[in-house]
Amino acid sequence: DADVTQTPRNRITKTGKRIMLECSQTKGHDRMYWYRQDPGLGLRLIYYSFDVKDINKGEISDGYSVSRQAQAKFSLSLESAIPNQTALYFCATSDRTSGRSGEQYFGPGTRLTVT
Amino acid sequence: QQQVKQSPQSLIVQKGGISIINCAYENTAFDYFPWYQQFPGKGPALLIAIRPDVSEKKEGRFTISFNKSAKQFSLHIMDSQPGDSATYFCAAINGQTGANNLFFGTGTRLTVIP
Repeated sequence: DADVTQTPRNRITKTGKRIMLECSQTKGHDRMYWYRQDPGLGLRLIYYSFDVKDINKGEISDGYSVSRQAQAKFSLSLESAIPNQTALYFCATSDRTSGRSGEQYFGPGTRLTVT
Repeated sequence: QQQVKQSPQSLIVQKGGISIINCAYENTAFDYFPWYQQFPGKGPALLIAIRPDVSEKKEGRFTISFNKSAKQFSLHIMDSQPGDSATYFCAAINGQTGANNLFFGTGTRLTVIP
């Protein structure tokens, strides 16, 4: 089984709808991250969490919210989806040691299309 | 503002050739520079990483060259193979801060033709 899983893998939704992307990990890592990937822009950090009680905004948090339900679960919500949120979304994890050297473990991604 | 600049955007190399991807940064507080490899339909995976006090690091056919004074680093793939066809991202991190945020380059799509 994959260490970092994301659901759904693909989603098409309409403008204005609320949508939640879920991430689960079995690596036992305390740190979890949400990124979005756009062609020509690379990966940009949306939110990150160092433990259940710690949530931090990343570079592009506007229009998104997150919830850390447990050490192993981190979900990303789009409260009212808009077309420019169409992108590939990745969840990633790290522990304190690997985090300092930039070593993160990524899930397979969720392709989100907002029409 | 892009913290890490990467070029080229795409690269086509013949099998057996050398693939070279370049990156540059401005923030001298960065203290670790990883490279990630991403195959279609997959998440990025750590390929190789280097600290700024080392000028070169080699792992198999993959080598990172680091020029601290120029604030530039590059990935060289020797004897490139079709299986190396993927998107490559350079990245940088300041591991000393509490945030541990990775800053990614914009990616290079490498195609190795047989």
